[in-house]
Amino acid sequence: DADVTQTPRNRITKTGKRIMLECSQTKGHDRMYWYRQDPGLGLQLIYYSFDVKDINKGEISDGYSVSRQAQAKFSLSLESAIPNQTALYFCATSDSGTGLRDTQYFGPGTRLTVL
Amino acid sequence: GENVEQHPSTLSVQEGDSAVIKCTYSDSASNYFPWYKQELGKRPQIIIDIRSNVGEKKDQRIAVTLNKTAKHFSLHITETQPEDSAVYFCAPRGSNYQLIWGAGTKLIIKP
Repeated sequence: DADVTQTPRNRITKTGKRIMLECSQTKGHDRMYWYRQDPGLGLQLIYYSFDVKDINKGEISDGYSVSRQAQAKFSLSLESAIPNQTALYFCATSDSGTGLRDTQYFGPGTRLTVL
Repeated sequence: GENVEQHPSTLSVQEGDSAVIKCTYSDSASNYFPWYKQELGKRPQIIIDIRSNVGEKKDQRIAVTLNKTAKHFSLHITETQPEDSAVYFCAPRGSNYQLIWGAGTKLIIKP
């Protein structure tokens, strides 16, 4: 969905480095999510935000932090990257105010490799 | 925590045949049941969903059926086509209002 963008699309970094992944959306949605996908597995929720002042931990938040800078922007940081954080990261959005409030729309993903 | 299982993990069908993927969940409070499709190298996209007040929903060649008593819902694809080849995920919404994702089913359409 072109309305949800992620930068960078690919990133290779070294163990111990700080990394930030950014997500922007023009859909006007209030809810945003960060997921991690490992090969052959489903999506695991890292953090989610229901509005700018509401940040919640997901099932695998350890080693990650987030910032909701505005309704349209949600960033994920790895304070000190480690190799087992190598994965595909997806940002998603949803709108609490419509009949489709549970439908999540995904960005194109960021492939992160930690050496 | 909530447990979600998908079966089978891989499904190979002849083009034109039907495919059925089943998702079993554990949270009896779940009331929203979507299916997402993820093509190779692409993002997940929703293809159909159902809420707990109905038992079946259809959209052209795709349907979802729900059995709340048994706590499972299924994706049905009829007249399969090559473009149906993808990984399909179920993601029932748990009691904390978050989607809980299955591990995925790889659907292969044989020509």
